[in-house]
Amino acid sequence: KQEVTQIPAALSVPEGENLVLNCSFTDSAIYNLQWFRQDPGKGLTSLLLIQSSQREQTSGRLNASLDKSSGRSTLYIAASQPGDSATYLCAVRSRGAQKLVFGQGTRLTINP
Amino acid sequence: GAVVSQHPSRVICKSGTSVKIECRSLDFQATTMFWYRQFPKKSLMLMATSNEGSKATYEQGVEKDKFLINHASLTLSTLTVTSAHPEDSSFYICSARDETNPGNTIYFGEGSWLTVV
Repeated sequence: KQEVTQIPAALSVPEGENLVLNCSFTDSAIYNLQWFRQDPGKGLTSLLLIQSSQREQTSGRLNASLDKSSGRSTLYIAASQPGDSATYLCAVRSRGAQKLVFGQGTRLTINP
Repeated sequence: GAVVSQHPSRVICKSGTSVKIECRSLDFQATTMFWYRQFPKKSLMLMATSNEGSKATYEQGVEKDKFLINHASLTLSTLTVTSAHPEDSSFYICSARDETNPGNTIYFGEGSWLTVV
């Protein structure tokens, strides 16, 4: 059974810092991994999707990496801004599965 | 980009009544949609996988007769909460898989706040 863990649960940093959010998963037989952002009381916004065959994906100030062998993914946010404050969720789709398995999320606060 | 629309965004209903929430994929067809429930400050709990033209697959512990799911077309899935009770009050979110996308990206709706009084 796939399990996804995100560390830390909460993170507070000053504006302008670069930061890394961590995601680990127990079963390396994955189809893809997706990072989402959720603002309070809202739905999820897809940030990046990394397919099983890929090592990383980039979008603007965001970079996500994938290391299947160690069961880890990281989301790197460069030059953080107060608008980046949100909960970030990592989700894994295992090979042969339909559904996503979510981590508990990292609640990020960027202080002006 | 791909958009998933959920309606209504907020609904208040009386205890004992039923309420329907719609999930639409606006610019892609989705044979598979998913319904989640989210409790305050918690992650998403998958309720069921909705498959176009066939019965939904419910997660363990989710009452099929209480949470009716219908996926009648490739762009619409509905969740009906029947005989609602205050404990059904929650944030419900749907998602849809864009299978034309090489990565099969999953997109989420904006969610629906249900309050049962």
